[in-house]
Amino acid sequence: DIQMTQSPSSLSASVGDRVTITCRASQSVSNYLNWFQQKPGKAPKLLIYAASNLQSGVPSRFSGSGSGTDFTLTISSLQPEDFATYSCQQTFTTPRFTFGPGTKVEMK
Amino acid sequence: EVQLVESGGGLVQPGGSLRLSCEASGFTFSSYEMNWVRQAAGKGLEWVSYISSGGSTMYYADSVKGRFTISRDNAKKSLYLQMNSLRAEDTAVYYCARDDNFYEGSAFYPRFDSWGQGTLVTVST
Repeated sequence: DIQMTQSPSSLSASVGDRVTITCRASQSVSNYLNWFQQKPGKAPKLLIYAASNLQSGVPSRFSGSGSGTDFTLTISSLQPEDFATYSCQQTFTTPRFTFGPGTKVEMK
Repeated sequence: EVQLVESGGGLVQPGGSLRLSCEASGFTFSSYEMNWVRQAAGKGLEWVSYISSGGSTMYYADSVKGRFTISRDNAKKSLYLQMNSLRAEDTAVYYCARDDNFYEGSAFYPRFDSWGQGTLVTVST
């Protein structure tokens, strides 16, 4: 099974900051990598699919990059509504998908 | 508007059974592959099961294989998860998720673009 790791597990940031979250796969997943945002008590929301494609309706301050085993989610200018947990998901071994453990973005 | 509404969660004793339902609206349910994903309190997301659009192909995570059964009724626009031999470690919020594949050339990229609100399953004495 492909294992997903994320770093950091949590971070503190301020509104306006540039935030970068890393996701690493235990073996290559090509560009079969999605990113989700989840707020407490709510369902996950798809942000990025196929590593770098912005889901419809998602603000352009979110971007994704990477391929193979290393991926990055970047928030160019953190907004108050962006404090949440972010998780990556590999879909290379479809349909046996694997999620990362999540990165919690907290207010500094 | 796409909507997925789960139901059927609750408190059950270890070894017991529960059937979750997910009712879809706002889209052509029969055209989409569907999944169940769960999340234990304070933990990450865990994919549980997949079913093809027509219902003929199913896959399960190793942690639930042989105990859980996914099914769907396209006429009723509903997805189900029959959970038997429940264990304490099955305690989680269970989400149904639509898979809206993205096609690029000959490749397709799964993307869980719509999720239900979740239903809580608690396995405890």
